[in-house]
Amino acid sequence: GAGVSQSPSNKVTEKGKDVELRCDPISGHTALYWYRQRLGQGLEFLIYFQGNSAPDKSGLPSDRFSAERTGESVSTLTIQRTQQEDSAVYLCASSYVSGSPYEQYFGPGTRLTVT
Amino acid sequence: KNEVEQSPQNLTAQEGEFITINCSYSVGISALHWLQQHPGGGIVSLFMLSSGKKKHGRLIATINIQEKHSSLHITASHPRDSAVYICAVRRSSGGSGGSYIPTFGRGTSLIVHP
Repeated sequence: GAGVSQSPSNKVTEKGKDVELRCDPISGHTALYWYRQRLGQGLEFLIYFQGNSAPDKSGLPSDRFSAERTGESVSTLTIQRTQQEDSAVYLCASSYVSGSPYEQYFGPGTRLTVT
Repeated sequence: KNEVEQSPQNLTAQEGEFITINCSYSVGISALHWLQQHPGGGIVSLFMLSSGKKKHGRLIATINIQEKHSSLHITASHPRDSAVYICAVRRSSGGSGGSYIPTFGRGTSLIVHP
């Protein structure tokens, strides 16, 4: 079956512009995560969605970052007024939370470059 | 200090060598994951374990809960094993399931030469 997909695969934007990144999780996966990976750094948690529960936004680095998810489908991560430090690969992962432990399936990522 | 530490940071090996990558963590966990990130960026889950040992093909993962340490071993390494290997833990936070937000190590970059 289809895995997690993300679009666009690459995005170059000018400083100050807004960008929107999209994630299509695996069908039936109730949990969805967004991560950021800066060059040479580890994965950094941004936000977590679980079903219709309120998302855990504890990892969002500033109020310029926001994310939405409708039900158990597509999610979008929006970065407003982009800064050069926002340049990174943004990864989405989904999982079927059926108890503990559970496993995440990662998308290919969106490489964002802010010039 | 990072809650999840991996060593070594970089590793170079010749084809056929036995490889060990280590992961130490400082928090109570409900599960530990080993992930592989290919040069193109894609990440796949290799193992998820909470005790003992798991084996899949040439890959073996072990965990010692008391010592808060896990190892990933690759036997008969091959150039296609070249990737970044990432250790991630899920904190135990009481109740069932533990925390749903993983904490990641910085990864170990492995290059296997033919």
